[in-house]
This record gives sequence, C-alpha cells and structure tokens, in this order.
Amino acid sequence: GAVVSQHPSRVICKSGTSVKIECRSLDFQATTMFWYRQFPKQSLMLMATSNEGSKATYEQGVEKDKFLINHASLTLSTLTVTSAHPEDSSFYICSARRWDRVNEQFFGPGTRLTVL
Amino acid sequence: GENVEQHPSTLSVQEGDSAVIKCTYSDSASNYFPWYKQELGKRPQLIIDIRSNVGEKKDQRIAVTLNKTAKHFSLHITETQPEDSAVYFCAASKGTGNQFYFGTGTSLTVIP
Repeated sequence: GAVVSQHPSRVICKSGTSVKIECRSLDFQATTMFWYRQFPKQSLMLMATSNEGSKATYEQGVEKDKFLINHASLTLSTLTVTSAHPEDSSFYICSARRWDRVNEQFFGPGTRLTVL
Repeated sequence: GENVEQHPSTLSVQEGDSAVIKCTYSDSASNYFPWYKQELGKRPQLIIDIRSNVGEKKDQRIAVTLNKTAKHFSLHITETQPEDSAVYFCAASKGTGNQFYFGTGTSLTVIP
C-alpha cells in the first residue's frame, strides 16, 4: 500500500495565529515529502521539497520563514503556517515518495485552511 | 525551471465519446510524465504515467502518448462515462527523486 494522511482536514483560525499541518505516510517510509498549495479551480503549486533529517528546499517565491517545514522522521512531515493571514487561505496538499517507487508521488487528502 | 502548459481548461463531451487533453513542457531533461485525476475536494490520484523511453502507453480506456521532439504529451480517454468527470492534471518530472511540475488542469464533464 501507499497511504498518506493529513491532519487536520479543515482548520479555521484567526489572523496572526500559527497553524500546523501534519502529513503522515501510514504504511511505508517516505524518503521525500512534498508540499503543495492549491487555490480553487487551479493547479497544484509546489511549495517545497522535504527530505527526512535535512532542511526543506523551497520553490522560488515561497517564504521559508512563513511556511516552516519539518521532516523529523521517515513517516512524518509538518507544515506550519506562521502568522497566518487571509491570503494564506488555501487547500494544502502533501505527497510522499516511497524509496522503492521513486518516480511516483502519493497524495494526502489535503487540508483546507481558512484564515479569518 | 520547468513550465507545463495544459489545454483545454474545460472540456465537455457526450457519454461514449472520446476526450483528449494535451500538455506541453519546456525542459528537455524531463523524462517522466504522470497524469492525475482529482475529484472535487479529494486528493489527486494517479491514473497513468509514461516515461520518455516510450511513445505510447495504454490501460483499458485510457492512453497517453508522448512526443519528445515536440515536447508534448496527451491523455486520451475513450468511451467516456459520467464517472470520468473530474479535473485532470498532467505533470512533468526529471525522474528519480525529482519534483513534479503540474499543468493548470482540465475540468472534464461527461454528459449522460
């Protein structure tokens, strides 16, 4: 199998607060995890690539101090949106890559973030 | 970096007809091209993929073709069914360990 979970599925927060989103590979070890952002009716925009035990690699234009990524184990990566603002409201999806199927990415169900 | 373009953005077909979605990519080093289907509010699911050493791949009603010279690849769905209605994304990657760059998506509606 290759099941990826995300928690929470939905979160509503006030402007200025921080929100943590977890991405877990449930039945495999993920050598690499990716974080995407998806606006309504738009594509998946890659935000960063996360390798276990090392610093994440951010795509151009993504603020690393605002979107903190931690990949502490081979089954867990977290994305923390710091000092969230309404423009951060979006659908955040993670994906994970298995060591033995390195071309494929297995996606989590996504987290809907709404910042009031 | 890689730039993936996808057309059309919306597509409506009658049930039983065929649907074709086209993508182009810019980086000639890309060598892996997956297609994902995403239903509303759900995660993207891989439906078919193709590697650059192959020109065509078929899986039942779904096929993908790749033209490396022209840097474009296409998804073909035959005998469409209402449950094929979803958003389809193409992507390009340089392969092992590398990131996916997604196209802008095609919203397919199959009319019963």
